[in-house]
Amino acid sequence: QKEVEQNSGPLSVPEGAIASLNCTYSDRGSQSFFWYRQYSGKSPELIMSIYSNGDKEDGRFTAQLNKASQYVSLLIRDSQPSDSATYLCAVNDGGTSYGKLTFGQGTILTVHP
Amino acid sequence: SQTIHQWPATLVQPVGSPLSLECTVEGTSNPNLYWYRQAAGRGLQLLFYSVGIGQISSEVPQNLSASRPQDRQFILSSKKLLLSDSGFYLCAWSVDGTGGTQYFGPGTRLTVL
Repeated sequence: QKEVEQNSGPLSVPEGAIASLNCTYSDRGSQSFFWYRQYSGKSPELIMSIYSNGDKEDGRFTAQLNKASQYVSLLIRDSQPSDSATYLCAVNDGGTSYGKLTFGQGTILTVHP
Repeated sequence: SQTIHQWPATLVQPVGSPLSLECTVEGTSNPNLYWYRQAAGRGLQLLFYSVGIGQISSEVPQNLSASRPQDRQFILSSKKLLLSDSGFYLCAWSVDGTGGTQYFGPGTRLTVL
């Protein structure tokens, strides 16, 4: 069974700090990797996607991918209280063509003032 | 732009009653459609996916079923609800050629009493 594991939380950081969220996956055939943010009681929203090894930056968010280590991470710089949410890592199923994703259990992030 | 709708937003149903949740997508053709369930404090569990009208694949055998009567309409049903069916039901869509990027609807919160 294909698995996606995220670092256990909850993670608490002070406002202005860097929050680091980590994810490992088991499917070596996976080619697409995603980070979703889910506020309490709301549906997940896509914040980052990454397909190639290395870093991808979008504003305060940086996604990092290392396919050899089967590892993907999300860094949030200058964390704000509004970043407090559950962050879900998702990995595509390398054996399908219709976009099936496997999600991690999520990491709860709390940014305190 | 694409929009995804789900209704109802919340639902309270007695054990043994039927269920029908609806999802519609606007602004795209021939999307891949997905139904997920998220139990309280848990990750996303893929229930069904569909790559076209009338084409439904089940990921988890249970008392739920899905149908896709039109290209952009996806319905989740049950003849008799169980207590364990309570949860947050999410519909999502993707299109081929985007690496599996999925976008979620607002969700339906179902409580079975």
